[in-house]
Amino acid sequence: GQNIDQPTEMTATEGAIVQINCTYQTSGFNGLFWYQQHAGEAPTFLSYNVLDGLEEKGRFSSFLSRSKGYSYLLLKELQMKDSASYLCAALDSNYQLIWGAGTKLIIKP
Amino acid sequence: GAVVSQHPSWVICKSGTSVKIECRSLDFQATTMFWYRQFPKQSLMLMATSNEGSKATYEQGVEKDKFLINHASLTLSTLTVTSAHPEDSSFYICSARDLQGDNQPQHFGDGTRLSIL
Repeated sequence: GQNIDQPTEMTATEGAIVQINCTYQTSGFNGLFWYQQHAGEAPTFLSYNVLDGLEEKGRFSSFLSRSKGYSYLLLKELQMKDSASYLCAALDSNYQLIWGAGTKLIIKP
Repeated sequence: GAVVSQHPSWVICKSGTSVKIECRSLDFQATTMFWYRQFPKQSLMLMATSNEGSKATYEQGVEKDKFLINHASLTLSTLTVTSAHPEDSSFYICSARDLQGDNQPQHFGDGTRLSIL
């Protein structure tokens, strides 16, 4: 079966760095997405990786290892507004998006 | 760019009412749009995939006669919740994917909060 695993909840301190991990098992693979979802709002697109390596976009970076079925989202210089759920989603061979349950990130002052 | 507009944002209505939700891609064309439902503190659940000019593909357990989907153009899909009941109360979110490629990200509307009394 197809599966996405990510931690349910993480806590970090304002100004610090946090890494949210995601492992995936899919029938074929056409890339991995990260989305941010604030409570009560719809998800917003953060990043897309299809090749191995690190993609940096401001304070957020996303990494992919296809051989390991592994990705992480790295958030630097954490701000209170980064408190949200972070959703990992993998695109399978049929271009169906398989969603993880999300990681709730709590930022403390 | 990549703006998706969803309307209405909130609906409160009596049991038995049918409710129509619109999803529009404003600055791109979308062959494929997606409809999700999310209950409080739970993950996104895909209800159906809407394809322009053809019938929607529904996920297992989603009643197609209950949740009618129409995707009449490359910029508009609608979801109609027919004869809504309190158990249909949820956060409904649409997303659209640019027709440039199947690996394009889905861009989400702001969602519709549906409350059935």
